[in-house]
This record gives sequence, structure tokens and C-alpha cells, in this order.
Amino acid sequence: AQSVAQPEDQVNVAEGNPLTVKCTYSVSGNPYLFWYVQYPNRGLQFLLKYITGDNLVKGSYGFEAEFNKSQTSFHLKKPSALVSDSALYFCAVRAYSGAGSYQLTFGKGTKLSVIP
Amino acid sequence: GAGVSQSPSNKVTEKGKDVELRCDPISGHTALYWYRQRLGQGLEFLIYFQGNSAPDKSGLPSDRFSAERTGESVSTLTIQRTQQEDSAVYLCASVAIANTGELFFGEGSRLTVL
Repeated sequence: AQSVAQPEDQVNVAEGNPLTVKCTYSVSGNPYLFWYVQYPNRGLQFLLKYITGDNLVKGSYGFEAEFNKSQTSFHLKKPSALVSDSALYFCAVRAYSGAGSYQLTFGKGTKLSVIP
Repeated sequence: GAGVSQSPSNKVTEKGKDVELRCDPISGHTALYWYRQRLGQGLEFLIYFQGNSAPDKSGLPSDRFSAERTGESVSTLTIQRTQQEDSAVYLCASVAIANTGELFFGEGSRLTVL
């Protein structure tokens, strides 16, 4: 069975500082990895994904993530945090779960607070 | 429409009543997911539809929960004899390419069971 771990419930960072939101995964076969962001009282929005190719993936709003196969990690990063980045961030992994199903499994989320 | 549409956006019901939640996916998207998000929690997978294939129902928490989708169109999630623990936001998402595509989420249906 596939799983995703986001070890930090909350990350606090000062505006202008770099931020990292951690994610590790467990899956059989090649992982397809995703990051989503959820602003208060809104649905989830896609940020970026890793399917294959370069281990460093760039996405929306200046975010990027690095796929590390040996450490089974896919940490989300941004060089300079903005107050508007404050939100709930979800890491997700998709793998073939049999019988034609591509189940997408989410982590429990990490609340990012950027302090002015 | 341009995005995934869910209705109702808010539903308050009494314990024991049945509720039906609706999802209109993005036109042309072959796969559709339902998730449940309890207050302060992550996303819990419920069910996955892919074209005309048999759905993956492995996430449905009990036989009170069921979902239907006709072809690649509208899906409905039905909860029978609702319980207070069913209170949550129910999120629907559709995707163009089942294995590599990103999910597009609706705004969700917030269900409150009194």
C-alpha cells in the first residue's frame, strides 16, 4: 500500500526567509508525486508534480520541489517566503493500485505560517 | 463549466436522514475522485471512477456510503442514515490523464449532521 508522511503539522517562517515543507513517501514501483495548497475555506490547488526527468521540479507561485529517490522524499521549497504563502500544504503520491485504479494518497497536511 | 462544480456548497441535516452530493467534473476528464476532509484533518480517499471501468470503492467507510457516475459525466455521492461523524467537507476532483495528470478540485460540499 502507498503512503505519504508529512512529519511537521506546522511550519513557521519569517517573511523573506527560505521555507521547506517536508514529505516522504512509500510506494511500490515508480512514484508520481504532487504538491497541493489549500487556502482557508477553499478547495485544493495544484502546485507542482514529479513524473519523471529532472529531480528538481518548478511549479506555481515560485515553489519548487526536489525528488530524492534514495531518501524517498519530495520536499517543497521556496527561496523567499511571502505572507500570502500562509496556507495548508498537502503532499500526495499516486501509484497503480490494481484493477485499473490510480489512487492518489495524500499526507495529512502541513500548516505553513509566514510571519511578517 | 471551466472548473469542477459541486453542490450543495453547504448542507445541514438531521441524524438519520439521507443526503446526496453532486459533482460536475471538467468536460473531457476521464477520472473522478471523491475525498472526505474532516475538520483539521487530511484528505481521506473515498472512491475513484475511471471511464466505464468498475470504480475503486476501497475507501468507502461503510455501506451507508455509495457513489455513482455515468460515463464521464456527473457523479453523485449518497450517504444514507447520516451520523454525526459524517460531518465533513466532501471534495470531488477530476483529472484528464489518470496516471500522470494533476487533479482539479471543486470547492467542496460542507456537510453538517446535527
